[in-house]
Amino acid sequence: DTAVSQTPKYLVTQMGNDKSIKCEQNLGHDTMYWYKQDSKKFLKIMFSYNNKELIINETVPNRFSPKSPDKAHLNLHINSLELGDSAVYFCASSPWGRRTGELFFGEGSRLTVL
Amino acid sequence: AQTVTQSQPEMSVQEAETVTLSCTYDTSESNYYLFWYKQPPSRQMILVIRQEAYKQQNATENRFSVNFQKAAKSFSLKISDSQLGDTAMYFCATKNNNDMRFGAGTRLTVKP
Repeated sequence: DTAVSQTPKYLVTQMGNDKSIKCEQNLGHDTMYWYKQDSKKFLKIMFSYNNKELIINETVPNRFSPKSPDKAHLNLHINSLELGDSAVYFCASSPWGRRTGELFFGEGSRLTVL
Repeated sequence: AQTVTQSQPEMSVQEAETVTLSCTYDTSESNYYLFWYKQPPSRQMILVIRQEAYKQQNATENRFSVNFQKAAKSFSLKISDSQLGDTAMYFCATKNNNDMRFGAGTRLTVKP
């Protein structure tokens, strides 16, 4: 069973389009994240949700909008795609609380904007 | 927010040798966690080892061990008996209050 699953794994689209990436975790975790990994492999946190509530919202363009319908799902919608949005987007989850441990990552979704 | 610095963009090591990857961090929190993740070409993020900041004893996981110097805010990873399968990007990370931040990564190549 896949613990954190993302769809699609690969996405190629044109500039100006709108696209979504979906994420689901079956670990029973309360907290979910979106990270962006650029071409230089740098991992930057974008958003974090705890039990459907937004708790981390980094400096990300308004074109990016996360949505968490329940604590097991965290989707990422991107409007008006730009070339610079090309990257690998990782979803992750972890238990909530100070004494928390590792993040469990999905396999990543590679977005290519042409 | 905390910051993480990995000063070695690339490193290489001969198979069966030992290599140490450096990491320094900065945080204002007293209770935090430190991690090393590995990302092979498959791009899956794999936890290598973790350290709780309040524990003085250095963590060890088989061939992987850390040198945690809390006062110096240093958290280096030592890989012993390097194997070809250790070739990957290695990321150091700090986590507190459910906020995990990563360093820029070190690309490690194990040569036969």
